[in-house]
Amino acid sequence: GAVVSQHPSRVICKSGTSVKIECRSLDFQATTMFWYRQFPKKSLMLMATSNEGSKATYEQGVEKDKFLINHASLTLSTLTVTSAHPEDSSFYICSARRAGGTGELFFGEGSRLTVL
Amino acid sequence: GQQVMQIPQYQHVQEGEDFTTYCNSSTTLSNIQWYKQRPGGHPVFLIQLVKSGEVKKQKRLTFQFGEAKKNSSLHITATQTTDVGTYFCAGHSNYQLIWGAGTKLIIKP
Repeated sequence: GAVVSQHPSRVICKSGTSVKIECRSLDFQATTMFWYRQFPKKSLMLMATSNEGSKATYEQGVEKDKFLINHASLTLSTLTVTSAHPEDSSFYICSARRAGGTGELFFGEGSRLTVL
Repeated sequence: GQQVMQIPQYQHVQEGEDFTTYCNSSTTLSNIQWYKQRPGGHPVFLIQLVKSGEVKKQKRLTFQFGEAKKNSSLHITATQTTDVGTYFCAGHSNYQLIWGAGTKLIIKP
């Protein structure tokens, strides 16, 4: 079945540094990938939608210069949190929609970012 | 903007009792999906409903899509400890996928 791998699963960084999170579809091509943020005991908050080879579409209130998204191939999307601050600490999850599929999303395992 | 309201936010049940979560959209949906997120885990796709009035079953889970394609429900019969988690609905409308806030199923000890 469709597997999405997200790396790293946990990352701790110092304030002011940048962190890159990778999302890979291992056994299928993903035309569209989504990035979410989830606060403790809260719902998924869609941050942006990325289509292979084009610029990501960001949701209202999400800073595109702070959360850089690159979808360079049909199997890889990356989220870079630039100049991270403690308030960026959160659980970030990606999902992928399979090309030619019926629309269901396959989620990565998530990445827990802690900014000191 | 388009919204999908999901209730309740939490539901505490005794093991063996039933559980239901409801989603209501402000706009007509082309389809609706349901996902389950176990504690500490990531959402996992359960099912997609497309047709007006559609009802689908997966063992003890029953999914319904309303006639107007604006509401949906998930009903679990005789809950078990393995059912614990948060259930999300997500509706497709105007090429957007709109997420409900989720309902957390908690089994009372």
